[in-house]
Amino acid sequence: SAVISQKPSRDICQRGTSLTIQCQVDSQVTMMFWYRQQPGQSLTLIATANQGSEATYESGFVIDKFPISRPNLTFSTLTVSNMSPEDSSIYLCSTRGAVLPTMGEQFFGPGTRLTVL
Amino acid sequence: AQKVTQAQTEISVVEKEDVTLDCVYETRDTTYYLFWYKQPPSGELVFLIRRNSFDEQNEISGRYSWNFQKSTSSFNFTITASQVVDSAVYFCALSEPSGSGTYKYIFGTGTRLKVLA
Repeated sequence: SAVISQKPSRDICQRGTSLTIQCQVDSQVTMMFWYRQQPGQSLTLIATANQGSEATYESGFVIDKFPISRPNLTFSTLTVSNMSPEDSSIYLCSTRGAVLPTMGEQFFGPGTRLTVL
Repeated sequence: AQKVTQAQTEISVVEKEDVTLDCVYETRDTTYYLFWYKQPPSGELVFLIRRNSFDEQNEISGRYSWNFQKSTSSFNFTITASQVVDSAVYFCALSEPSGSGTYKYIFGTGTRLKVLA
């Protein structure tokens, strides 16, 4: 299984500013995923980040608002740009097992709890 | 279409009671995986169990047990003799091949369990 760390663990930000969340995996992985969990809601996939190519965004999410970097096979960043209170959420970084016995299993980082005032 | 339904939004029980969390899924694939995750108030997602579609054996792990029934497309989770520390949001999830060599991951909306002392 992969061990995933995220920075920061939480932050309180002002409206209109941007925050970059870092995600570090303890092993090389092909695909990394960014999820958003709004208060009291389930997890929603924002985008899939592959090393060496542009991230693939899900419907309702755009690169200008959530730019993603994936400079190598163990690291990714998600930026939440021009924040508004509606962006207050937990943002989770994730990877998936590619081979047995963890094939198809999702591993999550501890999350970044963002509050926008 | 793929879907995971957790019809119970919130459940409250008194400590030491047994409680079952329901999960019903929809998929067209014959190969898929089912998961349960626990999300305590701290926010991190804790992996509880992974079950593949070819293994319908029920599983017991301490006070936790899972009942997988393909005939009813259900993967229910029972906590026996519940404890206050079991209070959390529990997510059921489905993972199935997405057709491009990867897996698509779908989360249910979660069930908030409150165990009262």
